[in-house]
Amino acid sequence: DGGITQSPKYLFRKEGQNVTLSCEQNLNHDAMYWYRQDPGQGLRLIYYSQIVNDFQKGDIAEGYSVSREKKESFPLTVTSAQKNPTAFYLCASSISRSDQPQHFGDGTRLSIL
Amino acid sequence: AQSVTQLDSQVPVFEEAPVELRCNYSSSVSVYLFWYVQYPNQGLQLLLKYLSGSTLVKGINGFEAEFNKSQTSFHLRKPSVHISDTAEYFCAVSNAGGTSYGKLTFGQGTILTVHP
Repeated sequence: DGGITQSPKYLFRKEGQNVTLSCEQNLNHDAMYWYRQDPGQGLRLIYYSQIVNDFQKGDIAEGYSVSREKKESFPLTVTSAQKNPTAFYLCASSISRSDQPQHFGDGTRLSIL
Repeated sequence: AQSVTQLDSQVPVFEEAPVELRCNYSSSVSVYLFWYVQYPNQGLQLLLKYLSGSTLVKGINGFEAEFNKSQTSFHLRKPSVHISDTAEYFCAVSNAGGTSYGKLTFGQGTILTVHP
């Protein structure tokens, strides 16, 4: 079955360290998204990519970076500049850039040691 | 700018009772509206969406929602809930067309707890 795979499921970061969250899809979807979820705040958009080799900042991009070198992959790096990285991170995809997110991964929970 | 307000952070209900989860939105342009469900430690699943046409939208698992443009609301309803409906529900909005493509603005979420 097609879907989105996020790894790892749990991730711990030391102060001053960059970490990368993986997101892979085998749905042949053009668009991919990264959201951050905090309790009581819903989901907030970090970055999105409408096509390979192109990505745009979302509402809370500071302290994060992404790449989209392959259609199926959209990794998110949480840099040391992100001062409050503890959250649940969700990756999503849609068939085209004009469609809304239709598939979500099961998330990565990032915590600070 | 858009915003979404889910009026109840938690909704407890007994099994087989009806339920309504309330969602209001604010936008200066036409919108598309969505409801997603999230089970613990999982991603989101799309329950239903309103793009155009009939204001009553039917989704999966027996849920439905009604778009009310004058009241800028998109409330989610189910006539009889099951224990398995216990989850967090998110209302979301996006611009209808324009340059925002698939960007969604989410509400804060409503935790539905179904008691036996």
